[in-house]
Amino acid sequence: GENVEQHPSTLSVQEGDSAVIKCTYSDSASNYFPWYKQELGKRPQLIIDIRSNVGEKKDQRIAVTLNKTAKHFSLHITETQPEDSAVYFCAAKDSGAGSYQLTFGKGTKLSVIP
Amino acid sequence: DTGVSQDPRHKITKRGQNVTFRCDPISEHNRLYWYRQTLGQGPEFLTYFQNEAQLEKSRLLSDRFSAERPKGSFSTLEIQRTEQGDSAMYLCASSFGGLVDSPLHFGNGTRLTVT
Repeated sequence: GENVEQHPSTLSVQEGDSAVIKCTYSDSASNYFPWYKQELGKRPQLIIDIRSNVGEKKDQRIAVTLNKTAKHFSLHITETQPEDSAVYFCAAKDSGAGSYQLTFGKGTKLSVIP
Repeated sequence: DTGVSQDPRHKITKRGQNVTFRCDPISEHNRLYWYRQTLGQGPEFLTYFQNEAQLEKSRLLSDRFSAERPKGSFSTLEIQRTEQGDSAMYLCASSFGGLVDSPLHFGNGTRLTVT
């Protein structure tokens, strides 16, 4: 099955700086890679996703890049704000026949220091 | 709120008791998923329904766990003979399955504590 590694586990940045979170996956046939933000005590919420036919996607201050050859993808947050503080999870969709499960990384706790 | 709703939000039970959780997905979503999340970890897949059919189950889902989605709408997850290791947040998610997968939308979860 799929295995997703996420780094770093914790990240502190000054407000206004950029934050980068990296993930690697094991199944070269995986084709869908979402990122979720989870605030304390709340549900994971999708912030951006990318499919394997695209190398980069951007939505305002958030961007995701995908390198299929190296099997890694990254989340970039620019001009960070205190409300960006949360745990971020990357995930990859298992491409096994009839499989619909997402495999998640262990998360990155991002702290934005005002 | 038309998102995914889960009930109860919290459940405390004694070891050996049975518990049942309910999930109401977004109404137009035909796919429903159960995940489990422990502290400091990402969600782990448990099982998946397309309409009323349970199409996929994780090896994590022991025979003490059973899930149903009888009419293709709400779903229940039952844990029999609970163990302390079952303590976790149980998350339900739904999506619309078509030619291209749509993103998963999660509920707020049911936090289970087994004492």
